[in-house]
Amino acid sequence: LAKTTQPISMDSYEGQEVNITCSHNNIATNDYITWYQQFPSQGPRFIIQGYKTKVTNEVASLFIPADRKSSTLSLPRVSLSDTAVYYCLVGDIAGTGFQKLVFGTGTRLLVSP
Amino acid sequence: DAGVTQSPTHLIKTRGQQVTLRCSPKSGHDTVSWYQQALGQGPQFIFQYYEEEERQRGNFPDRFSGHQFPNYSSELNVNALLLGDSALYLCASSLSRASHYGYTFGSGTRLTVV
Repeated sequence: LAKTTQPISMDSYEGQEVNITCSHNNIATNDYITWYQQFPSQGPRFIIQGYKTKVTNEVASLFIPADRKSSTLSLPRVSLSDTAVYYCLVGDIAGTGFQKLVFGTGTRLLVSP
Repeated sequence: DAGVTQSPTHLIKTRGQQVTLRCSPKSGHDTVSWYQQALGQGPQFIFQYYEEEERQRGNFPDRFSGHQFPNYSSELNVNALLLGDSALYLCASSLSRASHYGYTFGSGTRLTVV
């Protein structure tokens, strides 16, 4: 499983765009990239997943360069409720459903008024 | 559509005791995984159950055991509790052939060992 590296923490203000970058230099061909969000005393929640280029949903965008050695989660116009820990995970899309999720320490995002 | 339900939400145990945590998966899911999350850390994989069998196991001692029932619900048992077992225990359910986005987590059980 490819190891990921993220900033430990980030600060932002309401209404700003936040970009969190994750490094995964040893990503394998079959690996895809997934981001989870976790609020205090809750379980992680899936945000977005991608393999290459750009993926966008109603919550966030995920940018993946051609070499796939990094990815950037973009949160447009954050609000106070976006204060959470964000985890970047890398794993094999071709595997069976019997996959274990490997979490790092994540990025603690603090959004201030 | 109910998500993943875990019980109890909080628990206090004494060192050396045994504890059982319970998980009901999301409707339609057949696979249950358990994770331990220490304060300030990311969740760590304990084990995964499918068809009432343990399919994968993380780096946890045999004091941690589990079970899956025919209705897909699951239990996590921890024997001979240590102070270091204090953590948030998360249950995640999925379909047997889902990729990462198919995982749904419960809110966890906060276990405190004193």
